[in-house]
Amino acid sequence: GQQVMQIPQYQHVQEGEDFTTYCNSSTTLSNIQWYKQRPGGHPVFLIQLVKSGEVKKQKRLTFQFGEAKKNSSLHITATQTTDVGTYFCAGAGGSQGNLIFGKGTKLSVKP
Amino acid sequence: NAGVTQTPKFQVLKTGQSMTLQCAQDMNHEYMSWYRQDPGMGLRLIHYSVGAGITDQGEVPNGYNVSRSTTEDFPLRLLSAAPSQTSVYFCASTRVGVNSPLHFGNGTRLTVT
Repeated sequence: GQQVMQIPQYQHVQEGEDFTTYCNSSTTLSNIQWYKQRPGGHPVFLIQLVKSGEVKKQKRLTFQFGEAKKNSSLHITATQTTDVGTYFCAGAGGSQGNLIFGKGTKLSVKP
Repeated sequence: NAGVTQTPKFQVLKTGQSMTLQCAQDMNHEYMSWYRQDPGMGLRLIHYSVGAGITDQGEVPNGYNVSRSTTEDFPLRLLSAAPSQTSVYFCASTRVGVNSPLHFGNGTRLTVT
């Protein structure tokens, strides 16, 4: 079945450093979504990418969707302690378009 | 709006006991789903429903039952709890359509001893 791989599993950065997480799918995706889960919380939707090669920005966060629509990345510039959490990518798959989640990247930020 | 409401927040069961995790949403979403989250495993789909009276299995359905008698409610039943079902369970809902983001409940932390 469809698989969504996400790396790295963990990332520890000093506050102010940049951070990137990568997502790769075994199949072409119709769209990809990104979620953030704060410690002890629930996943919260950040953004959705639909078009090949699409790039979207949210303040210090930059999201990219690959040309082949099989990979994506999330880049955070100048991390802050408020960025702490686990970031998940999720691609639509299956007969009902169910979202298949990557295992997430847990980001910790040292002040 | 309350969004997606899950109860209880915490639950401890003994092996072999049964229980129902409740999930309700007030956004008139057709699609509802249950995920479990285990350390290092991400979110894995247990069961989902695209409307009242329609349910289907996800990636890890064994040991769980669901029903969807109304649009609002999507309970998850554990008929005979096992330690392997110790996990955090999230209910999520959305409008039907591949471009719709999921709205998650706050989760239920279940421990089976």
